[in-house]
Amino acid sequence: QQKVQQSPESLIVPEGGMASLNCTSSDRNVDYFWWYRQHSGKSPKMLMSIFSNGEKEEGRFTVHLNKASLHTSLHIRDSQPSDSALYLCAATNTGNYKYVFGVGTRLKVIA
Amino acid sequence: DAGVTQTPRHEVAEKGQTIILKCEPVSGHNDLFWYRQTKIQGLELLSYFRSKSLMEDGGAFKDRFKAEMLNSSFSTLKIQPTEPKDSAVYLCASRDRNERLFFGHGTKLSVL
Repeated sequence: QQKVQQSPESLIVPEGGMASLNCTSSDRNVDYFWWYRQHSGKSPKMLMSIFSNGEKEEGRFTVHLNKASLHTSLHIRDSQPSDSALYLCAATNTGNYKYVFGVGTRLKVIA
Repeated sequence: DAGVTQTPRHEVAEKGQTIILKCEPVSGHNDLFWYRQTKIQGLELLSYFRSKSLMEDGGAFKDRFKAEMLNSSFSTLKIQPTEPKDSAVYLCASRDRNERLFFGHGTKLSVL
C-alpha cells in the first residue's frame, strides 16, 4: 500500500520567516509529486508540482525533489499570515494515475 | 465559475440510513475522484474513474460505499448503511490534461 509521509505535523513561523515542509513516498514507482494548499473550511488547491530532480521556484515558493530518496520539500520564504493553511503532499504514478495524499502539515504564520 | 460542483454542502443522517452525494466535474475533464477527509486519516481515496470506467473502488471502503459515474458530467457516491464513523468531509475532484486535480467544496456528513 503506497504511503505518503509528511513532516512536521504542524509548524509555526513568524511573519517574514521561512517555512520548510517535507514529504516522502514509500512507492518506488512514483514519478510525480504535488503540493496542494487547503485554507480552513475550503477545498484543496494545487500549489506546485515537480517530477525532475532538482528545484523549481514560483514566487515565494520553492520545491525540491530527490528522486533517489523519493523526497520532496516545499519552502515558503517571506511567509505571510495568508499562507496559514494545511499543506498536502501527493504522489502519482503514471502507471495507474492514482493520486495518494499525505495527512498534511498545518502551517500557522503569526504576525 | 465552472468548477467542480458538489451537493449537498451538508448532510445529517441517522445511523443505518442511505445517503447519496452528488458531483459534477469540470466540463472536459475525463478523470474523477472521490475522497474522504478526516483530521486523523487525511484524504483517503474512495473511488477513481477514468473516462467513466471505474479504476479504483477503494478497497476497504467497498462494502458500504458505491460510486457511480452515470455520464461524463455526473457522479454519485452512495453510502449504505451509514455509520457514525462515516462522519467526515467527502470531496470530489476532477483532473485536467495536465494532471492537476480540481476539488469541489465538499459535503460535510454527520451521522448520528
